[in-house]
Amino acid sequence: QSVLTQPPSVSAAPGQKVTISCSGSSSNIGNNYVSWYQQLPGTAPKLLIYDNNKRPSGIPDRFSGSKSGTSATLGITGLQTGDEADYYCGTWDSSLSAGGVFGGGTKLTVL
Amino acid sequence: EVQLVESGGGLVQPGRSLRLSCAASGFTFDDYAMHWVRQAPGKGLEWVSGISWNSGSTGYADSVKGRFTISRDNAKNSLYLQMNSLRAEDTALYYCAKDIGEGFGELSADYWGQGTLVTVSS
Repeated sequence: QSVLTQPPSVSAAPGQKVTISCSGSSSNIGNNYVSWYQQLPGTAPKLLIYDNNKRPSGIPDRFSGSKSGTSATLGITGLQTGDEADYYCGTWDSSLSAGGVFGGGTKLTVL
Repeated sequence: EVQLVESGGGLVQPGRSLRLSCAASGFTFDDYAMHWVRQAPGKGLEWVSGISWNSGSTGYADSVKGRFTISRDNAKNSLYLQMNSLRAEDTALYYCAKDIGEGFGELSADYWGQGTLVTVSS
């Protein structure tokens, strides 16, 4: 059971838009920055979004992030077949057991 | 070009120890915090441990606290994870990851290695 809750799967057609939610609590998302990662099959995770809504160099603006209260959302527009991957949210948890936490991951299928 | 290369994984019996290493290059190693993240076969990501740029702060997931120790040698641009009292549930691909900042208390990993596989089995 992950500390952060993501939907197990989402799907959409090429060219469409999809959002992936990440729900947490005041000890994690509510008081810390959220990052998002893309993991293509058989590869290491790749940072897509950090500090809730910032994109590292080289990440297209089709990817966006937002945060409100204890939830965060990753948006992907103009879906491509190459976007099929697992997506994870991550943040810090400032509770007694302070440390990093990830969501359980969301499998994106581009139909 | 930033490179993180993990090593030290392998097959180990329950209760035994293993030491993972991560060789970093392409960036100023002692400017950044570092993390170990693992992924069990077919499962999601799990943060294992993190360390600040100067080793002043470290942290561990509850699942490994008291058994694993993270360390770094900035002179050698290397990160380590000493794993003791290994259990079957520690079986996973272990990734070394660079944080975007120097401090401890955030999780934003902008570069990842390819991982080293640890299998705990008798």
